[in-house]
Amino acid sequence: QVQLVQSGAEVKKPGASVKISCKTSGYSFLGYDINWVRQASGQGLEWMGWMNPNSGNTGYSQKFQGRVTMTRNTSIGAAYMELSSLRSDDTAIYYCARERAGRFDSWGQGTLVTVSS
Amino acid sequence: DIQMTQSPSSLSASVGDRVTITCRASQSIDDYLGWYQQKPGKAPNLLIYKASILESGVPSRFSGSGSGTDFTLTISSLQPDDFATYYCQQYNTYSPLTFGGGTKVEIK
Repeated sequence: QVQLVQSGAEVKKPGASVKISCKTSGYSFLGYDINWVRQASGQGLEWMGWMNPNSGNTGYSQKFQGRVTMTRNTSIGAAYMELSSLRSDDTAIYYCARERAGRFDSWGQGTLVTVSS
Repeated sequence: DIQMTQSPSSLSASVGDRVTITCRASQSIDDYLGWYQQKPGKAPNLLIYKASILESGVPSRFSGSGSGTDFTLTISSLQPDDFATYYCQQYNTYSPLTFGGGTKVEIK
């Protein structure tokens, strides 16, 4: 079955960077884009961007442009999202999601990132 | 950005009730709309895509309709497992992809 398994919780200081992994299995990694969505505590869902695992092409929300980098390792079927210059309002759960023609049909379990001095 | 406005933001309902949630887009998105269910501490789960197509494995009591700017998610007979928060998402444009603010369905 399709699975996306994310790395564990992180605690970072303001100004630092965080890199989250999303290890996929159960399907052809190269066949579907991976998107990243975050959710602050008690808040809604916020889309960050997408990555095509086959080409490595990416597209980022303007809100995160310049701070976010999405990459992949095709040999192990993993996607990565790195967010830099962290601020307290970046504290959130970060999800990776497999995309099928715009819809997100499988999600990782989420990774809590806490930014605190 | 395309704004997605959901209403109501929360509702109380009883098991067996028919529940309708609406989602309005700030501009036409054709039928590029998805609905997700999220339970506390869990990732969202896709229910409906292309406004009205039921995702595989999703109970038939869920249905979606609409096109252009106005959409609805209907639960025909609310079950105990349906108490959750529901989000709509437009994918007509990726500049950026946007979600509605959510509708929390609570037990009456």
